[in-house]
Amino acid sequence: DAGVTQSPTHLIKTRGQQVTLRCSPKSGHDTVSWYQQALGQGPQFIFQYYEEEERQRGNFPDRFSGHQFPNYSSELNVNALLLGDSALYLCASSLEVNEQYFGPGTRLTVT
Amino acid sequence: GENVEQHPSTLSVQEGDSAVIKCTYSDSASNYFPWYKQELGKRPQLIIDIRSNVGEKKDQRIAVTLNKTAKHFSLHITETQPEDSAVYFCAARYNFNKFYFGSGTKLNVKP
Repeated sequence: DAGVTQSPTHLIKTRGQQVTLRCSPKSGHDTVSWYQQALGQGPQFIFQYYEEEERQRGNFPDRFSGHQFPNYSSELNVNALLLGDSALYLCASSLEVNEQYFGPGTRLTVT
Repeated sequence: GENVEQHPSTLSVQEGDSAVIKCTYSDSASNYFPWYKQELGKRPQLIIDIRSNVGEKKDQRIAVTLNKTAKHFSLHITETQPEDSAVYFCAARYNFNKFYFGSGTKLNVKP
């Protein structure tokens, strides 16, 4: 049984560019949440997808958007990248309102 | 707004001693409180959780206590071992599966 997977592992982008990160949830999980973890900080909630719709959103600008596919996998898109967007982006999956399990993360560096 | 405060930010103990990490939350409607362990360069791993209808939960050397009146919860690790060294995060669930995390505690267990 595969756990939560994310791709790519690492990514380097230039300011102003756009990026797409991908997440496959743990088998049997239908809910995907995305978090941004800056160095030395706790994960910050970006948004959550359930039944292909954004159900919850944290305090992140509209440059951050997402999508969930019928197979429950999800994408996180960030437009007009800023230096401050450099962070570890974590995906977590769960079965509805139960415990979350995290993926290994995507390390994004914006130069 | 939603907020989770975590203390201390760093904790150094001798192998075999106990370690206690404390968190407070702001929303009395929160009903689920997980704890995660994150080793350097790895994903957060769920180590124990507690729901609001329970005051204490134990799993071998790890225990979590919850005081709903005071809105705080704590992680207790007994008989610490060097492999317990990591960053520990508490979290509180608001509104379905929206989680807010503490800022983390770096635990160092000295052999």
